[in-house]
Amino acid sequence: AQTVTQSQPEMSVQEAETVTLSCTYDTSESNYYLFWYKQPPSRQMILVIRQEAYKQQNATENRFSVNFQKAAKSFSLKISDSQLGDTAMYFCAFMKHRRSGAGSYQLTFGKGTKLSVIP
Amino acid sequence: DAGVTQSPTHLIKTRGQQVTLRCSPISGHKSVSWYQQVLGQGPQFIFQYYEKEERGRGNFPDRFSARQFPNYSSELNVNALLLGDSALYLCASSLAGQGGEKLFFGSGTQLSVL
Repeated sequence: AQTVTQSQPEMSVQEAETVTLSCTYDTSESNYYLFWYKQPPSRQMILVIRQEAYKQQNATENRFSVNFQKAAKSFSLKISDSQLGDTAMYFCAFMKHRRSGAGSYQLTFGKGTKLSVIP
Repeated sequence: DAGVTQSPTHLIKTRGQQVTLRCSPISGHKSVSWYQQVLGQGPQFIFQYYEKEERGRGNFPDRFSARQFPNYSSELNVNALLLGDSALYLCASSLAGQGGEKLFFGSGTQLSVL
């Protein structure tokens, strides 16, 4: 079974500054996906960024980037130029890699980090 | 394009009752998953359906059941409700095959069991 650990229950950052959220995971799988999801007060889980474990290059999406350290089983999220709209719960999640159309696309989530962006 | 839609948004039930939650996936998505999110926790996987077949089941009792219809919409049923079933129930849809690992979530149904 996979486990995902987010050790920072809450964090805050000044608007326009940079913040890094931490995530570690445990798995015996060699190929998998890692995700960061954002959950604002509207409750909808919004995909922020995705990383495929077999790709060494760290994923980036505009102001969001990850530091993926496969050997250390670490997957941190960096948010640059923080904006008030970034205030939300952030969840790190793991998914085993499956052949197309086969098996279950099942996410295992961490407990989340509450991020507050301060004006 | 409409996103994943869930109904109702809020629901209040009493212990022992039964509840049905509904989910319509994004057009073109054939896979639907259900997650339970208890306050202060990350979502937990309940079920995944693809082409009307159950493809995965999480560690939930048999009181939880689901089905997927020919139009790919889905229902989650919970029987004999317990206080501990109070949670946000999230539905997610995804493509089949390539890209199927990207799940798109609805805004959830908040279930309160009194």
